[in-house]
Amino acid sequence: GAVVSQHPSWVICKSGTSVKIECRSLDFQATTMFWYRQFPKQSLMLMATSNEGSKATYEQGVEKDKFLINHASLTLSTLTVTSAHPEDSSFYICSARGLANQETQYFGPGTRLLVL
Amino acid sequence: AQSVTQPDIHITVSEGASLELRCNYSYGATPYLFWYVQSPGQGLQLLLKYFSGDTLVQGIKGFEAEFKRSQSSFNLRKPSVHWSDAAEYFCAVGVGGSQGNLIFGKGTKLSVKP
Repeated sequence: GAVVSQHPSWVICKSGTSVKIECRSLDFQATTMFWYRQFPKQSLMLMATSNEGSKATYEQGVEKDKFLINHASLTLSTLTVTSAHPEDSSFYICSARGLANQETQYFGPGTRLLVL
Repeated sequence: AQSVTQPDIHITVSEGASLELRCNYSYGATPYLFWYVQSPGQGLQLLLKYFSGDTLVQGIKGFEAEFKRSQSSFNLRKPSVHWSDAAEYFCAVGVGGSQGNLIFGKGTKLSVKP
């Protein structure tokens, strides 16, 4: 139980294009989803928290217009990197938390983004 | 401010040897504590968690961790390491009450010698 998937697992795009990453909770309803960014050999940095049906809360320093987050249903959240640039290349990981177990986050497998 | 410290960046142990990964936290209230493991290029898998009660918690894959309030520590242990345990290990503290936001340590990379 508590499986979270992400799609795609790998994406390569040209500078200036937008990329959408999906995060799905497969066997539970996720009232809250989190988006993290991880640089090589570093820890996870929280980018934003999204609750189903409401606007995401972004961490300080994260551009909300660049990293668009939508949490339209209890099983799906999307992160869109708009007008991507090479410095946006990173490993993006989502996590989800359900109603029954609100203290625990379950993580997706991550999406590696490379912007050329 | 809340923080998590993992003092060891990289640890190498022989297969079959015991393992202890250190984690110290700074948090004003009773923390929720977690250990996650990350294999290369993968997401994080929850190993175990502590919320309250028995300070020695058992997790998956033969791991255990002990919460010591007096030392603000939550060290991860395994009596006999397997080659498949080689990975990055992250300690995290849950803050913000029902928000459940996590603050992660910088991670400890575990290498296993045959």
